[in-house]
Amino acid sequence: DARVTQTPRHKVTEMGQEVTMRCQPILGHNTVFWYRQTMMQGLELLAYFRNRAPLDDSGMPKDRFSAEMPDATLATLKIQPSEPRDSAVYFCASGPIGLGVFFGPGTRLTVL
Amino acid sequence: QKEVEQDPGPLSVPEGAIVSLNCTYSNSAFQYFMWYRQYSRKGPELLMYTYSSGNKEDGRFTAQVDKSSKYISLFIRDSQPSDSATYLCAMSLINTNAGKSTFGDGTTLTVKP
Repeated sequence: DARVTQTPRHKVTEMGQEVTMRCQPILGHNTVFWYRQTMMQGLELLAYFRNRAPLDDSGMPKDRFSAEMPDATLATLKIQPSEPRDSAVYFCASGPIGLGVFFGPGTRLTVL
Repeated sequence: QKEVEQDPGPLSVPEGAIVSLNCTYSNSAFQYFMWYRQYSRKGPELLMYTYSSGNKEDGRFTAQVDKSSKYISLFIRDSQPSDSATYLCAMSLINTNAGKSTFGDGTTLTVKP
């Protein structure tokens, strides 16, 4: 049963610390997305990749966020320095080119 | 104003009821319409997708799109307690970027036994 995996599932950190979230997309999927979900803003697209190349990161605060795909089996989202307003659930999703994507279980981030 | 508006609910119905979940949108260029279901503390799960106007049925679920009114609906027949979740509509411009979707904020549904 192929699924997107994300680590860590939960992260509590202090303001100013670096946070790295990792995602393993479903094998064979060539598009990978990072979403952030909060009660206030709902689900927001932060960045996405196709064939490991970044296509759009306009939803991401560039001064502190960065997203990479060092290889086809790993996507990373990094926040440095973290701030309390970054507290949210971060989802990775992957899909083939086409309709619909498969979401991972999310990383629940709390920045104190 | 958001591009996609969705009634936040919460919506509470008795088991067996017909449920109607709705979204409106402002961008007439949207062509692909999706519904996701999200259980508490889980990631969204794709339920159905439709292209352009019309209906699509899958078991107890029917997705309906009215592009002239910029309005989409998801109907759930014979609702079950296991349908209790948050339902998110999503829309995209072209299918090659369909993962790059604009999401509604979700409607929380509770089906009571």
